[in-house]
Amino acid sequence: KQEVTQIPAALSVPEGENLVLNCSFTDSAIYNLQWFRQDPGKGLTSLLLIQSSQREQTSGRLNASLDKSSGRSTLYIAASQPGDSATYLCAVPPPPGNTGKLIFGQGTTLQVKP
Amino acid sequence: DAGVTQSPTHLIKTRGQQVTLRCSPKSGHDTVSWYQQALGQGPQFIFQYYEEEERQRGNFPDRFSGHQFPNYSSELNVNALLLGDSALYLCASSLKGESTDTQYFGPGTRLTVL
Repeated sequence: KQEVTQIPAALSVPEGENLVLNCSFTDSAIYNLQWFRQDPGKGLTSLLLIQSSQREQTSGRLNASLDKSSGRSTLYIAASQPGDSATYLCAVPPPPGNTGKLIFGQGTTLQVKP
Repeated sequence: DAGVTQSPTHLIKTRGQQVTLRCSPKSGHDTVSWYQQALGQGPQFIFQYYEEEERQRGNFPDRFSGHQFPNYSSELNVNALLLGDSALYLCASSLKGESTDTQYFGPGTRLTVL
């Protein structure tokens, strides 16, 4: 059974700091991994999806890496801004062609202080 | 291009009542998944509908049921509401067979059971 864990549960940093959010999964036989952002009381916005054949993906100040062998993914946020304050969730999607449930971690709530 | 829409945005019910939540998928998508997100937790998969049939189900009781219509929109029904059903209910749509199996989420419906 796949389990996804995110550490830390909460993080508070001053503006401008670079930071890393961690995600671990128990079953390394994944096809890809997705990072989402969730603002308070809102839905999920997809940030990055890393295919199993890739080791990282970049979008602006965000960089996500994937190490299947160790069961880990990291989301790196460069030069953090107050607007980055949100909850960040990682999720493991089902294999291609077998669309099914996403398994989520519990999220890391980030606060970036001005 | 319309994204995933959900209605209503907020709902207040009392214990024992029944509720129906609605979801319209992103244009071009044919698969709808429903998730329950309790406060401070990651979303939990309820079930998924494709071709008007329930295809996968998570660990939720039979009080949770759903339906998908020919236009791919979907409803989530919850009977005999309990206090513990209070949560954000998220709908996600995808296109079956798409290589990335990327799911797009709606803004959610906040259900409060008193």
